[in-house]
Amino acid sequence: DAKTTQPTSMDCAEGRAANLPCNHSTISGNEYVYWYRQIHSQGPQYIIHGLKNNETNEMASLIITEDRKSSTLILPHATLRDTAVYYCIVSSLSGGYQKVTFGTGTKLQVIP
Amino acid sequence: KAGVTQTPRYLIKTRGQQVTLSCSPISGHRSVSWYQQTPGQGLQFLFEYFSETQRNKGNFPGRFSGRQFSNSRSEMNVSTLELGDSALYLCASSLKGSLYNEQFFGPGTRLTVL
Repeated sequence: DAKTTQPTSMDCAEGRAANLPCNHSTISGNEYVYWYRQIHSQGPQYIIHGLKNNETNEMASLIITEDRKSSTLILPHATLRDTAVYYCIVSSLSGGYQKVTFGTGTKLQVIP
Repeated sequence: KAGVTQTPRYLIKTRGQQVTLSCSPISGHRSVSWYQQTPGQGLQFLFEYFSETQRNKGNFPGRFSGRQFSNSRSEMNVSTLELGDSALYLCASSLKGSLYNEQFFGPGTRLTVL
């Protein structure tokens, strides 16, 4: 199974950029990298996804290395409301079935 | 546009019983995926339904099953409940499918097995 590895937790000062890394060294050529976040007691919320190129939307930027073995989610100006668990996800093919596997995520704490 | 709704929000069952959870996707979404979230295992993919057909499945025993109706609403059933089935069960809908499209998650159903 394709797996993702993320730091367990990170702190970021309010107003600064939060850079969340993710390793996915077993990713295959047609697998996308997705990022979701989960704020306590809510369902996960989609942030961004990408295949090869860097992507940007109103919430964040996604930087994917050329070999696609790792990526970084960037929240340009973190606010207190960005405190959440951030999940980096890739799909995988196992036993003939495709599945989406969430890792353990990074708990981001934005500090005032 | 209304979001994904799940019922019930909380459920308490005893070992050996069975349970059915319901999910109503966002209007127009044809894909519904189910996930189990526990403190120890995190978020794990159960299965995905698209246009009433199971399209993808995760690594869960056959006690976990689901179905999707013609209006895209989905139900998940767990038979012969075990203590380890206590978890938050999340449903997510997307327009075309979970693997290559943004998913919208519901608030979840908190199942406690005693």
